[in-house]
Amino acid sequence: NAGVTQTPKFQVLKTGQSMTLQCAQDMNHEYMSWYRQDPGMGLRLIHYSVGAGITDQGEVPNGYNVSRSTTEDFPLRLLSAAPSQTSVYFCASSLQGGSQHFGDGTRLSIL
Amino acid sequence: GQNIDQPTEMTATEGAIVQINCTYQTSGFNGLFWYQQHAGEAPTFLSYNVLDGLEEKGRFSSFLSRSKGYSYLLLKELQMKDSASYLCAVRDEGGSYIPTFGRGTSLIVHP
Repeated sequence: NAGVTQTPKFQVLKTGQSMTLQCAQDMNHEYMSWYRQDPGMGLRLIHYSVGAGITDQGEVPNGYNVSRSTTEDFPLRLLSAAPSQTSVYFCASSLQGGSQHFGDGTRLSIL
Repeated sequence: GQNIDQPTEMTATEGAIVQINCTYQTSGFNGLFWYQQHAGEAPTFLSYNVLDGLEEKGRFSSFLSRSKGYSYLLLKELQMKDSASYLCAVRDEGGSYIPTFGRGTSLIVHP
């Protein structure tokens, strides 16, 4: 099993560009979530999903969209990139009530 | 929501014991997790507590007191490779089963 796979690992964008961060898991986990991690701020929840077709907002959802058309995939879309979105992004998955399995992260810089 | 507090940084000596504390306030507690995160890597699951008491797993133990809103992670026989951030995460009864993370404690182990 590959676990949780995130692509790309690194990305540089210009302000105003849009892009999609990909996340896929092969563990048949119902729960998936996206976090951003900034120095001194810990992991902050952006959006999460409790199953295919169901998504909800976390603590810092503004500027991001998600969809969950399949159990395996949970892409995160930046609509119009801003320098404040420079961060490390982690995708995680879990069974209901279980511990989270994290991807290796995407390091995103916005100029 | 939750309010989670951890010390920002701790230092300890190789071979020693260190205790990392986590206090939290939540409207309805439903479990506490500890994760380890090495620099530049993804968080990995260490332990889970939902009932009061001590959970032991090799060199690592985690304790929970629900009445005091308090947990600690105890690391014994410290090794250099234990230098990492330790993240406390609390899940409440809100229904999403997605935990909220504290800002993490950076542990530096020196010879």
